[in-house]
Amino acid sequence: AQTVTQSQPEMSVQEAETVTLSCTYDTSENNYYLFWYKQPPSRQMILVIRQEAYKQQNATENRFSVNFQKAAKSFSLKISDSQLGDTAMYFCVVEGFMMYSGGGADGLTFGKGTHLIIQP
Amino acid sequence: DSGVTQTPKHLITATGQRVTLRCSPRSGDLSVYWYQQSLDQGLQFLIQYYNGEERAKGNILERFSAQQFPDLHSELNLSSLELGDSALYFCASSPSAGYYEQYFGPGTRLTVT
Repeated sequence: AQTVTQSQPEMSVQEAETVTLSCTYDTSENNYYLFWYKQPPSRQMILVIRQEAYKQQNATENRFSVNFQKAAKSFSLKISDSQLGDTAMYFCVVEGFMMYSGGGADGLTFGKGTHLIIQP
Repeated sequence: DSGVTQTPKHLITATGQRVTLRCSPRSGDLSVYWYQQSLDQGLQFLIQYYNGEERAKGNILERFSAQQFPDLHSELNLSSLELGDSALYFCASSPSAGYYEQYFGPGTRLTVT
């Protein structure tokens, strides 16, 4: 089974600051994908960034970047120049090999989330 | 807008009842996933369908079932409802069976009274 641990239940920073959300995970798979999803107060689940485990280069998406340490099973999210609209719950997600029905499923595993608050 | 639609947005029903939640995936996506988000359990994967066939099961109760129809829309059926089934139910879709990001619908808020 896969597990995802987000050790920061809540974080608060000032607008324009840089913030890093931490995530560690455990999986027995060799091939897997990692994602960060955000869930603003609207409750819509929105993809922020993705990382393929076989790629050594860290993914970036505008103000969002990750620090992927495969050996340490760590996958942190850095948000630069934070904006008020970044206020949301952020989920670290691991996707492993999906076994066929009857064989169990590791699939998409979510962490408990980090509630990020951007203060004006 | 992710392109995934879910109906209804809100549902209030009584214990012991049965409800059906509906999901239409993004155009061209073959996989549909169902998730349950509750305060105590967090976000949990329930079940996946790929091109009409059940592909994987997560923490889905026996009282719950799902199917995917030939037009690729999916329905999640919840029966013998209990207070603890109150949650936000998300549907997500992706182009294939795995290793793709999933696009989430707006969710259906189920309240069991």
